[in-house]
Amino acid sequence: GAGVSQTPSNKVTEKGKYVELRCDPISGHTALYWYRQSLGQGPEFLIYFQGTGAADDSGLPNDRFFAVRPEGSVSTLKIQRTERGDSAVYLCASSLTWPPKTDTQYFGPGTRLTVL
Amino acid sequence: RKEVEQDPGPFNVPEGATVAFNCTYSNSASQSFFWYRQDCRKEPKLLMSVYSSGNEDGRFTAQLNRASQYISLLIRDSKLSDSATYLCVVNRAGGSYIPTFGRGTSLIVHP
Repeated sequence: GAGVSQTPSNKVTEKGKYVELRCDPISGHTALYWYRQSLGQGPEFLIYFQGTGAADDSGLPNDRFFAVRPEGSVSTLKIQRTERGDSAVYLCASSLTWPPKTDTQYFGPGTRLTVL
Repeated sequence: RKEVEQDPGPFNVPEGATVAFNCTYSNSASQSFFWYRQDCRKEPKLLMSVYSSGNEDGRFTAQLNRASQYISLLIRDSKLSDSATYLCVVNRAGGSYIPTFGRGTSLIVHP
């Protein structure tokens, strides 16, 4: 079956611009996560959703970052007034159940964001 | 101190060698533990969960030491295809079970 998909795969933008990154989780997965991964580092948690609501957004670095999941499936990560430091690979993952104590997270291929 | 710490390596070993990685975590109330594998420019994929009693999957053995707050991964009979970055993941306790990743340990298996 289809895995987690993310679009675009690459995004190059200029400092100060607005970007949207999309994630399509595996069908039926209720939990969805966003991570950011910089070179040489592990994925850093940003936010997760249980259904439509953001269950924990404690990882969002500041108020320029926002994410939605209006129908409990597709999610969009939105970054306003992008900065060069936002350049990273943004990973989305989904899991079947909540809480994910022992549940497998399935990752998408990521969106590589470059802010010039 | 970071919540989850790993030696970034790289660990450079010949085919057939046995190699072990450790990962330490700071939150003693952490509930669940995993090893993920990440190939270059690819997404992480679950390698194995880590259970309190230790567990084995073929050439891979994972162990948890709650008293010392570390988990380990042992790879026996290394293959060229084992070359990757191995990420330790600890689910933060306290209701949210936020997955916290280590920075990963790079393994290079050479002929």
